[in-house]
Amino acid sequence: QAVLTQPASLSASPGASASLTCTLRSGINVGTYNIYWYQQKPGSPPQYLLRYKSDSDKQQGSGVPSRFSGSKDASANAGILLISGLQSEDEADYYCLIWHSSAWVFGGGTKLTVL
Amino acid sequence: QVQLVQSGAEVKKPGTSVKVSCKASGYTFTAYYMHWVRQAPGQGLEWMGWINPDSGGTNYAQKFQGRVTMTRDTSISTAYMELSSLRSDDTAVYYCARDKEGGSGCFDWGQGTLVTVSS
Repeated sequence: QAVLTQPASLSASPGASASLTCTLRSGINVGTYNIYWYQQKPGSPPQYLLRYKSDSDKQQGSGVPSRFSGSKDASANAGILLISGLQSEDEADYYCLIWHSSAWVFGGGTKLTVL
Repeated sequence: QVQLVQSGAEVKKPGTSVKVSCKASGYTFTAYYMHWVRQAPGQGLEWMGWINPDSGGTNYAQKFQGRVTMTRDTSISTAYMELSSLRSDDTAVYYCARDKEGGSGCFDWGQGTLVTVSS
């Protein structure tokens, strides 16, 4: 079982909100991890969005709009990237990242379609 | 501003090696770890390891141990990633990425270098 699991795809309408999940493998407690989120558009390197550990320990990337935010769902053992007020420019791949067992581990990515 | 400029695309034969460079500017090169991440066509991101440009110390992902070597030349603020015994499934875009906060997953990225492994 992969360390981080992300749904392969998600679709949402312009102006709506999208909740992208990053589920940690059973036995790895989401509460103890910083979860980093990246956005990647075709042909470009990833861009850092934000880090989330808790409501009191989080960081927004420089220049990243506040409509991108992070949270966790402890019951689902998952990190969440919430994008509100979706815009066409938000259509991209999104990756989560954690530091686990002395290695950086990426989730498989979610392709977000805005239509 | 911070810039990471990588070397150009490469085409290699199976069994050979490739060495990708990443020239840094706009910050103190030795102050921030440099990571290498790859992305196969249509696939996700895969962390390969990091180098401490100050000490030269490295930490490689288990998958690549024995095949990857990360080095640096502080005189020209350049990091290198060499991958040996290339296989077709090593075909990917290879990125260097600066850890901009020290021990975090907050990275600045190079533009990427496409390495194609084909006979």
